[in-house]
Amino acid sequence: DTAVSQTPKYLVTQMGNDKSIKCEQNLGHDTMYWYKQDSKKFLKIMFSYNNKELIINETVPNRFSPKSPDKAHLNLHINSLELGDSAVYFCASSQGSGTYYEQYFGPGTRLTVT
Amino acid sequence: GENVEQHPSTLSVQEGDSAVIKCTYSDSASNYFPWYKQELGKRPQLIIDIRSNVGEKKDQRIAVTLNKTAKHFSLHITETQPEDSAVYFCAASIETGGSYIPTFGRGTSLIVHP
Repeated sequence: DTAVSQTPKYLVTQMGNDKSIKCEQNLGHDTMYWYKQDSKKFLKIMFSYNNKELIINETVPNRFSPKSPDKAHLNLHINSLELGDSAVYFCASSQGSGTYYEQYFGPGTRLTVT
Repeated sequence: GENVEQHPSTLSVQEGDSAVIKCTYSDSASNYFPWYKQELGKRPQLIIDIRSNVGEKKDQRIAVTLNKTAKHFSLHITETQPEDSAVYFCAASIETGGSYIPTFGRGTSLIVHP
């Protein structure tokens, strides 16, 4: 059974387009995250949701908008894509709720903007 | 916010040697320190973690030490094997909104030569 899944796995698009990446977890976790991993492998948190509520929003352009329709899903919508948005985007989840729990990462979505 | 420095960025060892990766953090409120391993093209996965009330933890060939006073923690891998080759990330986590939000180091690329 897949714990954290993302679609699509690969996304190639042109500058200026709008795209979405979907994430679902079947672990019953309370908290979900989006990370961006650049070409130098730096893993940087973008957003975190706890029980559908935004709890952290790092400095990312407002072209990026997360949407959490329920506790098991956290989607990422990106408007007006730019070359610098090319990266691997990881969704993750954790138990949260004030306890020390590991992050379970999805397989990643490799976004290439041309 | 939290800042995590990780060294070295690249570590090359012979099979059977030990490998040590060091991290420092800036925020004394951080109290959970996980280490993740990311193999090429794969997702990051937790390999070991340590909480702020513990100085050392060991799991087979992997150990982690924490010095809260100096704000640094280290990963030790003994008897390295080629399958240990990967990028390793340290993280320092602070509780925010009921969840532990990690700040990751920039990663160490470990290469184990057979």
